[in-house]
Amino acid sequence: AQSVTQPDIHITVSEGASLELRCNYSYGATPYLFWYVQSPGQGLQLLLKYFSGDTLVQGIKGFEAEFKRSQSSFNLRKPSVHWSDAAEYFCAVGPSGGGSQGNLIFGKGTKLSVKP
Amino acid sequence: GAGVSQSPSNKVTEKGKDVELRCDPISGHTALYWYRQSLGQGLEFLIYFQGNSAPDKSGLPSDRFSAERTGGSVSTLTIQRTQQEDSAVYLCASSLSWAGAFQYFGPGTRLTVT
Repeated sequence: AQSVTQPDIHITVSEGASLELRCNYSYGATPYLFWYVQSPGQGLQLLLKYFSGDTLVQGIKGFEAEFKRSQSSFNLRKPSVHWSDAAEYFCAVGPSGGGSQGNLIFGKGTKLSVKP
Repeated sequence: GAGVSQSPSNKVTEKGKDVELRCDPISGHTALYWYRQSLGQGLEFLIYFQGNSAPDKSGLPSDRFSAERTGGSVSTLTIQRTQQEDSAVYLCASSLSWAGAFQYFGPGTRLTVT
C-alpha cells in the first residue's frame, strides 16, 4: 500500500540550531516527492519538490531535502532554524507516471516548535 | 485569480444539516482535488476532478459526501446530514494537469459540526 511516514509528531529545536525532519515512503514506483509547510490557520505552502535528477533539492526559506532511493526517504533539513519556521511540516508523494488519479498522499505531519 | 480560493473560510453547522463548500481553482488548471484535514488523521484525499469528471470517488468517506465541478472551474463539495466526525478543515487544490504537477492549495474551509 502507498504510504508516507513521518516518525516525529512534534520536534522542538532552539533558534539557530540545525533541523532534520524525517520522511519515509512506501510506493510502487519512484514517486514525485514534496514537502509542504502549514502555519496556524494557513493553507499549505510548497517548500520544495523532487521530480528527478539531482537528489539534493533546494527549496524556499533555506530548506533542502535529500532523496535516498535505497532508504525510501526524503528528509527535510535546514542548517539554522529561525523562530518563524515554527509550523507544521508535511511530506507527500505523488505519482510520477500515467494514471487516472494524481492525488498526493500525505504523512501525518511534524509540528516544529522553536525555542528562543 | 491569483490563487485557489475557498468559501466560506469557516462554517459552523448543526448536526444533521447539509453544507456546501466551494472551491475556485486557479484559472486554466484542469485538475482539482479535495482533501480533508482532521486532528489525528492528517490530510486525506477525498476526490479528484480532471475537467468536470471525477474518475475516482473512492476517497469519499461515505455516501453523504458528494462533489461536482462545472465548466471545468468551480467545484462544490456537499456534505449531507452532517455528523460531528465531519468536523475538519477541507482543503482544495488545483494543478495544470494530473499526476506529478505541482498542486496549489487553497486556505481551506474549517467546518465545525455541533
